[in-house]
Amino acid sequence: AQSVAQPEDQVNVAEGNPLTVKCTYSVSGNPYLFWYVQYPNRGLQFLLKYITGDNLVKGSYGFEAEFNKSQTSFHLKKPSALVSDSALYFCAVRAETGGFKTIFGAGTRLFVKA
Amino acid sequence: EAQVTQNPRYLITVTGKKLTVTCSQNMNHEYMSWYRQDPGLGLRQIYYSMNVEVTDKGDVPEGYKVSRKEKRNFPLILESPSPNQTSLYFCASSSAQAPQVYGYTFGSGTRLTVV
Repeated sequence: AQSVAQPEDQVNVAEGNPLTVKCTYSVSGNPYLFWYVQYPNRGLQFLLKYITGDNLVKGSYGFEAEFNKSQTSFHLKKPSALVSDSALYFCAVRAETGGFKTIFGAGTRLFVKA
Repeated sequence: EAQVTQNPRYLITVTGKKLTVTCSQNMNHEYMSWYRQDPGLGLRQIYYSMNVEVTDKGDVPEGYKVSRKEKRNFPLILESPSPNQTSLYFCASSSAQAPQVYGYTFGSGTRLTVV
């Protein structure tokens, strides 16, 4: 069965510092991995995805994520955080052979302090 | 503008009173899905549809119905709402054109309160 774990309910970081939001997954076969961001009173917005190839994928708003197959992780990163990055972040996984079923993590709230 | 439109944004209703939340997308997407979002639980899939007249249960389908009579619309129906269906609901759509893999486009959400 597919599953996603986001071990931190909240991540606090100072503006200008690098940020990491952690995600680990479990899936049979090869994974398709996604990150979404949710701002207050808004729907989720797609940030980036990993399908195959380079383990470091770049996405919107300067975010990137690193796929690590041996650790079954897909951590979201940004070199320099902005206050406007404060939001709720969701990691999601879909199995390559699992149709379109996508499992979401519980979410991590990122708080960037000025 | 490519988008998924949900209505209403907010809804307060009473137990047992049938309601429908509408979802429409203008991207000609084949795949559509409904999720509910609850604190600490993330998003859980209610129902999904691979195309017109093709629907299937997700992880938490009890108490919900859906239909897909047209490609663009995927309404969520609560025949007899109960307080445990108080939640934030999202509709999402995606292209299913293999071999590309797409992320979802989400609607803005519907906050439902059942009293």
